[in-house]
Order: sequence, then C-alpha cells, then structure tokens
Amino acid sequence: GAVVSQHPSWVICKSGTSVKIECRSLDFQATTMFWYRQFPKQSLMLMATSNEGSKATYEQGVEKDKFLINHASLTLSTLTVTSAHPEDSSFYICSANLRGGTDTQYFGPGTRLTVL
Amino acid sequence: GENVEQHPSTLSVQEGDSAVIKCTYSDSASNYFPWYKQELGKRPQLIIDIRSNVGEKKDQRIAVTLNKTAKHFSLHITETQPEDSAVYFCAASRDDMRFGAGTRLTVKP
Repeated sequence: GAVVSQHPSWVICKSGTSVKIECRSLDFQATTMFWYRQFPKQSLMLMATSNEGSKATYEQGVEKDKFLINHASLTLSTLTVTSAHPEDSSFYICSANLRGGTDTQYFGPGTRLTVL
Repeated sequence: GENVEQHPSTLSVQEGDSAVIKCTYSDSASNYFPWYKQELGKRPQLIIDIRSNVGEKKDQRIAVTLNKTAKHFSLHITETQPEDSAVYFCAASRDDMRFGAGTRLTVKP
C-alpha cells in the first residue's frame, strides 16, 4: 500500500529556533498533502493543504508566516515551524492523497515537537 | 466549512459486546466518510470508509452505515476484543478532511 514517511519522528528544540519537518510519499505521487496538528487526547486539526507547485492553503487561525509549508515536488512537502515557542509543542502529522486517485489519505507516522 | 461531531467521547464495553460510535456532519456536499483507529502516539490507521453513494459497508467485524438525508454515519464493531481498544476518529471529506473529536474505546477482558 501507499507509504508516507515523516522526518524527524521527534525533535526537541529551544524556544526561538526553527524546526523543519519533512513529509514524503515513498511509493506514489501525491498531488496534495495535508498537515495536521494534534494535541494530547484531542483530535487532528487541519492546519493547511499543500499542493505541489503552488502556495499552501491555510486554515483559519493558522499563521502562515509561522508555519511555512513548501511542496516542492510530488513526493515531498515540508513544514517549518519558525521561532518556535512552548505552545507550539504538539504532534504534527502529514498525510497525502494519491495523485488522481481516491480521497483516501495516507498518514505519516507523525513528528512530536517539544519546545523548551 | 464542514463540522463533524462525534459521540460518545468515551465508550467502555465488555469483550464480546458490540460498540457503536456515531458522527454527524454539516456539509451536505461531503462525499467520503472514513473511520480511523489511532493508538497512543501513532498515526491514524484507516479501518473502513464509505462513500456517499453507498448506505452500508461491512468488513468482518466492522461495519459503517451512512444516512445522507440525516447527515449522520456510524461505526459498528461487533464481538469486540481487547485489541480494539484505541481512539477512533470519524471524518467527512469533500475537498479536505474534517475529523470528529474522537472516541476512546476500552474493551474490558
């Protein structure tokens, strides 16, 4: 089946630094990738929709200048958390759709970000 | 935008009993309704999905029903087992996917 990888799986950083998270579709081309954020014991909240070759579409309340998304190819999307603060600590999960395929989303394993 | 509500938030059943989780959605144009199982600290795993042109779908012990008129869909797990214990999320999708708040299912042996 379709496999989505994420790197790193966890990261600890100091407040004020920037962190980049990579999301890759390993065996398929993904027209669209999605970035979610999940706080402990809560649901997945869509942050942004990332389309290859175009600007990401951000959900209301998500700061696009703080959460930079780049979808440079059909197999790679990156999320950069700029000037991270403790309240940005969360579980970040990406997902991808098959290009020209169904609505099924395949999720990456997630990245746990802890900002000290 | 789409709004998905999920109930109950927690559910505890005895092994062998059935479990039912219900969701409602607001956008009548939503056409895809997946259910995900998430274990602690891991990615959501798709367990079953249904599209708007189908009313019911079954896969072994798991079934999903969809009522488009009422805009609600349900997950049914029969003969529950301890390994079914997890958090379950429903979702509704048209252009992007919106998740319900989740149901923590505990199956007691």
